[in-house]
This record gives sequence, structure tokens and C-alpha cells, in this order.
Amino acid sequence: AQSVTQLGSHVSVSEGALVLLRCNYSSSVPPYLFWYVQYPNQGLQLLLKYTSAATLVKGINGFEAEFKKSETSFHLTKPSAHMSDAAEYFCAVSGRGDDKIIFGKGTRLHILP
Amino acid sequence: GAGVSQSPRYKVAKRGQDVALRCDPISGHVSLFWYQQALGQGPEFLTYFQNEAQLDKSGLPSDRFFAERPEGSVSTLKIQRTQQEDSAVYLCASSSIPGQGAYEQYFGPGTRLTVT
Repeated sequence: AQSVTQLGSHVSVSEGALVLLRCNYSSSVPPYLFWYVQYPNQGLQLLLKYTSAATLVKGINGFEAEFKKSETSFHLTKPSAHMSDAAEYFCAVSGRGDDKIIFGKGTRLHILP
Repeated sequence: GAGVSQSPRYKVAKRGQDVALRCDPISGHVSLFWYQQALGQGPEFLTYFQNEAQLDKSGLPSDRFFAERPEGSVSTLKIQRTQQEDSAVYLCASSSIPGQGAYEQYFGPGTRLTVT
């Protein structure tokens, strides 16, 4: 069985500051890991995914995440926050061959001017 | 190209009414998924289709929930005798990769269901 835990339901950072959203996972099989972003009244958009290739994954909009097996973590970072980054972010996990994605509860990112 | 579309975008139902939510996946996508997203929560898996076959319905919360995809394209999620706890956003996603649907899923905007 798989699960994810996102630390912090709300995170606030100043514009231009580092963004760090934390995610820890649990999986009984080698995982696929994902970060999705959801803007108000919109569906989920895939930011990036880890599928057992490079442990440092680069995604869209300047985001990246690093898979750390020893820490069972997949934290999302961005060097410099932009106002347009304000949204809800979901970490998610799946196992190879699974037909479903298990989502965390989400972290709402607030950008302070 | 067109993405996943869902209709209606908003639905208000009185408790006890039946509702039907529609999903149009990306053309040619064989895999289709339904998720339920309660307020302040992440999406939770409901059911999965590969073409017209419903391969996994383990997430459907009760027998009031029913999903179909008769021709392997458009899908309908039906909720009978709606209850207040059914209030949520219902998300549809599709994937071009059969059997590996978790690898790449494209989500629609969702239908927000409010049961009064």
C-alpha cells in the first residue's frame, strides 16, 4: 500500500524567496512520485514526476524535486518564488503497474509581496 | 488539442436526488479515472476504466455510486439518492497508456457537486 504525507497545509514565502514544500511517502513497492498543482477552479496539472530514472527531477515553471530513498522524501523546491506560484500543491504516489494515484492532502502556497 | 472536459462544472442537488456527471477524455485515451476531492483534501480514487471495461471500482464509497463508459470514450458517474457527504469536486482524468495509468494522467477541471 502507498501513502503520502505533506508537511504543512499552508506555507507562506516572500516573492523571490526559496520555495520548499515537503512530502514524505510510504510504499511497499518501488514508487512513482508526482507533484501536481491546482489553481482555483481548475483541474490538476502535473508539475513533475519521478519514475526511477534520475533522482533529481526537473519540472515546469522552474520547479524541481529530489527523490531520497533513505529519507522516503520527495520535497518540491523552486529557487525564487513568483506571485503566479500561489496555488495548491499535491504530492502523490503510485506503484509500478498501479492504476491509481494516491494523493496527499495538499499544501496551499501563499506568496507574500 | 482539446483536454479532458467535464460537465456540468457546477451542480446543486437536493438530498435524495440522482445526479449524473459527464467526462469527455482526451481523444484516443484508453484509460479513464474518476476521483473525488472533498473540501480541503486531496483527490481520492473512485474507479478506473480501460476502454469500456471497468477494471477497478474499489474506491466507490457506496452502491449509490455507479460509473459507466459504454463505448470506451465518454464516461458518466452517477450518484443515486445523493447525501450531504457526497458534496465534493469530482475529477476525471485520462491516460493514453493502458495498464500504466498512474504514469501520466491528464485531469479535467472537475464538477463541483453541492448537496443541500
